[in-house]
Amino acid sequence: QVQLVESGGGVVQPGRSLRLSCAASGFTFSSYAMHWVRQAPGKGLEWVAVISYDGNYKKFADFVKGRFILSRDNSKNKVYVQMNSLRGEDTAVYYCARDRMDLAAFDIWGQGTMVTVSS
Amino acid sequence: DIQMTQSPSTLSAFVGDRVTITCRASQSISSWLAWYQQKPGKAPKLLIYKASSLETGVPSRFSGSGSGTEFTLTISSLQPDDFATYYCQQYNSYNTFGQGTKLEIK
Repeated sequence: QVQLVESGGGVVQPGRSLRLSCAASGFTFSSYAMHWVRQAPGKGLEWVAVISYDGNYKKFADFVKGRFILSRDNSKNKVYVQMNSLRGEDTAVYYCARDRMDLAAFDIWGQGTMVTVSS
Repeated sequence: DIQMTQSPSTLSAFVGDRVTITCRASQSISSWLAWYQQKPGKAPKLLIYKASSLETGVPSRFSGSGSGTEFTLTISSLQPDDFATYYCQQYNSYNTFGQGTKLEIK
């Protein structure tokens, strides 16, 4: 079935890096842009970044610009976010989500992976 | 950046009630608005897209309306499974989410 599965979360010290992965299955991954959305504990949803279907276009929220790097490997059906210079305020569950431009919405979400930035 | 403001932040209602949640955009977003439902510990689920179109498999008691800067999500007759947090999202620029509306059982 159509599915997204995130991995790579964990506890990391401030200033360090972490790479999250999102594995897709059940659909033609290379046809879809993919987003990352995060949710701090007890807070709302916050859009983080998007990568186009071919990886040539990327856009970031201001609060991660210059710190997060997006990439994707369409041969492996995976999208990645490299998170550098992590801060306490980056502590959150990180979700990947499939973009449906025709719906102007995100129709498939992963289960999320928790990132905790703490010394 | 476009800001999305939902009201109320919390809503208490009985099973069977009709409820409405409002979402306002800081500038016009045409009909580029989606609504999501999220339950504790779970990923968001798409309910409504393009302001008023029902996602496949979503019960017809959910409906959306509006355009420009003001939008509403209505649940016509609350069911026990509907108690959750609801988010609006604009798809026009930077995909901003509203702050959420928690729907609680009265």
